[in-house]
Amino acid sequence: GESVGLHLPTLSVQEGDNSIINCAYSNSASDYFIWYKQESGKGPQFIIDIRSNMDKRQGQRVTVLLNKTVKHLSLQIAATQPGDSAVYFCAENYGGATNKLIFGTGTLLAVQP
Amino acid sequence: DAGVIQSPRHEVTEMGQEVTLRCKPISGHNSLFWYRQTMMRGLELLIYFNNNVPIDDSGMPEDRFSAKMPNASFSTLKIQPSEPRDSAVYFCASSRLQETQYFGPGTRLLVL
Repeated sequence: GESVGLHLPTLSVQEGDNSIINCAYSNSASDYFIWYKQESGKGPQFIIDIRSNMDKRQGQRVTVLLNKTVKHLSLQIAATQPGDSAVYFCAENYGGATNKLIFGTGTLLAVQP
Repeated sequence: DAGVIQSPRHEVTEMGQEVTLRCKPISGHNSLFWYRQTMMRGLELLIYFNNNVPIDDSGMPEDRFSAKMPNASFSTLKIQPSEPRDSAVYFCASSRLQETQYFGPGTRLLVL
């Protein structure tokens, strides 16, 4: 029979364009958020993080925006390159003493040359 | 610096056999996490340890799964007996307490 798996949202962009990947998180008490990149056959790789006392944080070619009012997180990648093609996951830490991360389902970024 | 080390990288076994996955966290990290990733369920936390003590094992699917962390530099995840539905990629991650988690390369498990 046909197997049913998670439906990964896909974002297709042209090389050189900017990419914006969005994530809705679930817990208003979450105080720490992370974006991970997972290439095929590899483990998730840390990209950038942000704490709840910030709205924006910039890294090299990447920017994370946090909107706590609507519980929304976004990852912006400037001048997207073929090497950026991967699945991107957001993760939230529920706060308090727990060290537990809850991961979203992921977004597949496909960069067209 | 060495990242999180997992072994084996690939494991093929028959239903009913015992499977042991191994993890060496990054030196100096005091939290260790075991995750499972499948197409059906995505990335799921199975169990995590702080300072070698299991803190939350609510994600462990059933009694066939067990995890240990005998010291700060080694952890195992054991499945006994294994079943085909256990086929997945198993990741180990480590972090300093309440800081960023860093993932290993994973173990691809296939149970026939």
